[in-house]
Amino acid sequence: GEDVEQSLFLSVREGDSSVINCTYTDSSSTYLYWYKQEPGAGLQLLTYIFSNMDMKQDQRLTVLLNKKDKHLSLRIADTQTGDSAIYFCAAPNFNKFYFGSGTKLNVKP
Amino acid sequence: DAGVIQSPRHEVTEMGQEVTLRCKPISGHNSLFWYRQTMMRGLELLIYFNNNVPIDDSGMPEDRFSAKMPNASFSTLKIQPSEPRDSAVYFCASSFSQTARVYGYTFGSGTRLTVV
Repeated sequence: GEDVEQSLFLSVREGDSSVINCTYTDSSSTYLYWYKQEPGAGLQLLTYIFSNMDMKQDQRLTVLLNKKDKHLSLRIADTQTGDSAIYFCAAPNFNKFYFGSGTKLNVKP
Repeated sequence: DAGVIQSPRHEVTEMGQEVTLRCKPISGHNSLFWYRQTMMRGLELLIYFNNNVPIDDSGMPEDRFSAKMPNASFSTLKIQPSEPRDSAVYFCASSFSQTARVYGYTFGSGTRLTVV
């Protein structure tokens, strides 16, 4: 299988940048993903990055991939209170997605 | 499309009772996944189906758990008998295997199960 690890909590102030980190073990994953889970809801696909890319930017979101170190990060610029949620990174192995434990982002006004 | 639909949203049952969770995947998706989410263990993949056939059930905790997918538009996860330690949020997700790598899975809103 695949081990995907994340830190559990992150607290930032509104307007600051947030950086959520993830490490994974299976280097054969061709795509890596970030999902967002709001309270009482399922997981929603936030963004993804192809494994031959180092960086992907999508509005306030920047995904960085260090394939050598098997390290993935999600940067949220100008973090808003509406960004408070749990963020999961996910790495597929064949048709199965392995999720990290999730990082709970708390945004203080 | 209404997305992945799970029912019920909440279920409270007594220990020893049978519980059935239901899922309707997105039309056209051919893979379906059942996950369990707890504070202690995070998201665990229980079982997944491809074209209605169970492919990997290695995550099913024990014989008390069973899952079926009688057709492409419906799946059930059954726990019999239920125990307090089964209390969790159960998610169903679906994908089209040909594009799952790009579009990922689509998750339902989950069923919060409480066994007392």
